[in-house]
Amino acid sequence: DGGITQSPKYLFRKEGQNVTLSCEQNLNHDAMYWYRQDPGQGLRLIYYSQIVNDFQKGDIAEGYSVSREKKESFPLTVTSAQKNPTAFYLCASMTRERAGELFFGEGSRLTVL
Amino acid sequence: KQEVTQIPAALSVPEGENLVLNCSFTDSAIYNLQWFRQDPGKGLTSLLLIQSSQREQTSGRLNASLDKSSGRSTLYIAASQPGDSATYLCAVQPGGSYIPTFGRGTSLIVHP
Repeated sequence: DGGITQSPKYLFRKEGQNVTLSCEQNLNHDAMYWYRQDPGQGLRLIYYSQIVNDFQKGDIAEGYSVSREKKESFPLTVTSAQKNPTAFYLCASMTRERAGELFFGEGSRLTVL
Repeated sequence: KQEVTQIPAALSVPEGENLVLNCSFTDSAIYNLQWFRQDPGKGLTSLLLIQSSQREQTSGRLNASLDKSSGRSTLYIAASQPGDSATYLCAVQPGGSYIPTFGRGTSLIVHP
């Protein structure tokens, strides 16, 4: 089945550590996104990529980094510079060939201890 | 900058009611509008997508309409069930960009 796989589903991190969240899609989509979701805040865009080897900062990119070396993969690294990293992280992908329908993964919940 | 507003923020109804969720947007130059459902602790599930040239889309008990000129979309849920309890979000994708703008969602509780 085609879809987006995020891992791990739950992650605990000590302060000062970098962590990487995985996002893999087998939908052959060009565009991929990372969102952060906090209670009462709605979805906020961290980074997006429209094509391999290219990505752009979203609204809250500080303290995060990404790479897009393969079409199907868009990992997100939460660095120690991110002051409040505890949140629910969502990966999404989209292609304009399907009227721009956006698909999401199941999310990764990061907790900083 | 596109702004998307969803009203109400929360809604509690008895089972069996027909209900309407609203989504309004400020810039009518959109490519599409998409409705999602999110269960607690889960990702977003796509419910309906309306392209800018369309007026409505239907899937089972769900019907979404789009009025670009007034900047509004509604999601109609017929004969609501407890299993419909979730947060419903709308997202508007602009015509010249790949970046959708999301509303904050409507939290729906359908009680037996």
